[in-house]
Amino acid sequence: DAGVIQSPRHEVTEMGQEVTLRCKPISGHNSLFWYRQTMMRGLELLIYFNNNVPIDDSGMPEDRFSAKMPNASFSTLKIQPSEPRDSAVYFCASSDGQGRTGELFFGEGSRLTVL
Amino acid sequence: DAKTTQPPSMDCAEGRAANLPCNHSTISGNEYVYWYRQIHSQGPQYIIHGLKNNETNEMASLIITEDRKSSTLILPHATLRDTAVYYCIVSGPNAGNMLTFGGGTRLMVKP
Repeated sequence: DAGVIQSPRHEVTEMGQEVTLRCKPISGHNSLFWYRQTMMRGLELLIYFNNNVPIDDSGMPEDRFSAKMPNASFSTLKIQPSEPRDSAVYFCASSDGQGRTGELFFGEGSRLTVL
Repeated sequence: DAKTTQPPSMDCAEGRAANLPCNHSTISGNEYVYWYRQIHSQGPQYIIHGLKNNETNEMASLIITEDRKSSTLILPHATLRDTAVYYCIVSGPNAGNMLTFGGGTRLMVKP
């Protein structure tokens, strides 16, 4: 299995631009998570999907952030408009919720720099 | 509101056992203890988890005290590649498996 695949790996953009991060979870996994990591705040859970439905988005910073999961094999995290404080590494993770093992499989992350 | 407390950093000599402690005094009866690690610039990696019994797998051993208020992750023979940040997480067994990461312990394995 290829694991969780994220793209792009690196993104540099200017303030005010729209940013779209993409994630392909492991086939067969029905839970998907978006995390953000910064030096100041560590790893923060942004949103969690189960069976393509957003279950908890309480971690989404503000209305500039939105996430979708149109099908079981694809999710996007969008920031519009982007700001310098959004600079971070964004991780996507998936798990087999049926197993309830708490074993999340993380992607390699998307490093976002907003100038 | 962190549910776990870990030392911010630890050193370990290569080849020796690394014992990483974690306090979780407010753990509930149905909450599991999970351990993850994050090697520089990579995504976090699952290591092991347990409820109340000690657990062992190919990566590590997890020792949970009888009162479940603390646990220790043991890497039996640490290598340089085990240098990473280790996270101890407490979470319930719900289908969401939502994990909240704290600050973790930065383990430095030295030659």
